[in-house]
Amino acid sequence: QVQLVESGGGVVQPGRSLRLSCAASGFSFSTYGMHWVRQAPGKGLEWVTFIRSDGSRKYSADSVEGRFNISRDNSNKTLYLQMSSLRAEDTAVYYCARGGRCRDNICFFDAFDLWGQGTMVTVSS
Amino acid sequence: EIVLTQSPGTLSLSPGERATLSCRASQSVSNFAWYQQKPGQAPRLLIYGASSRATGIPDRFSGSGSGTDFTLTISRLEPEDFAVYYCQQYGRSPITFGQGTRLQIK
Repeated sequence: QVQLVESGGGVVQPGRSLRLSCAASGFSFSTYGMHWVRQAPGKGLEWVTFIRSDGSRKYSADSVEGRFNISRDNSNKTLYLQMSSLRAEDTAVYYCARGGRCRDNICFFDAFDLWGQGTMVTVSS
Repeated sequence: EIVLTQSPGTLSLSPGERATLSCRASQSVSNFAWYQQKPGQAPRLLIYGASSRATGIPDRFSGSGSGTDFTLTISRLEPEDFAVYYCQQYGRSPITFGQGTRLQIK
């Protein structure tokens, strides 16, 4: 079954750290670029960060630059989001999503055709 | 950063009617998509490349446009189509989404 399953969300105090995981199954994980997208309660979608299929390149939104780090373990088909210095405004449902390919050594973003169910992160004292 | 502005914010229509949702970009976009999101669910890809339907998407959904102006059309609304719709540009970083259009039953 082709799917993404996030885990690791919870309640965390401001300034602390948290690591999210996204387990992939049913497709060739190592050939796809992957993203994290978040959605604050009652709000719209916000792209957070991206990692290339081989992990060689990353991009992040300004709002998380220097605080969040995306990584991946292709052998275990898992995507990670290490979040540090968390703030109240980081409270959101965090989704992992598939959306990038490389072809003939040229890599590009793709539309997000596969999403996980999301994991809730609440930053509160 | 490319800013995407969706209109209208809320659209009230009846089943069987035609829905037209718009998205305008602050600068020309090279790769564009539409997503549908229902309460408590993850977004679902509807349209990519501005006009190509994703796998399993009914043909009542169609996308058009280029440059800075894009449109999602639902030709004949079904009850399950009432949801929030987001546009997205994925041509360059940072990837951006519109603020969403809520399609509600009239």
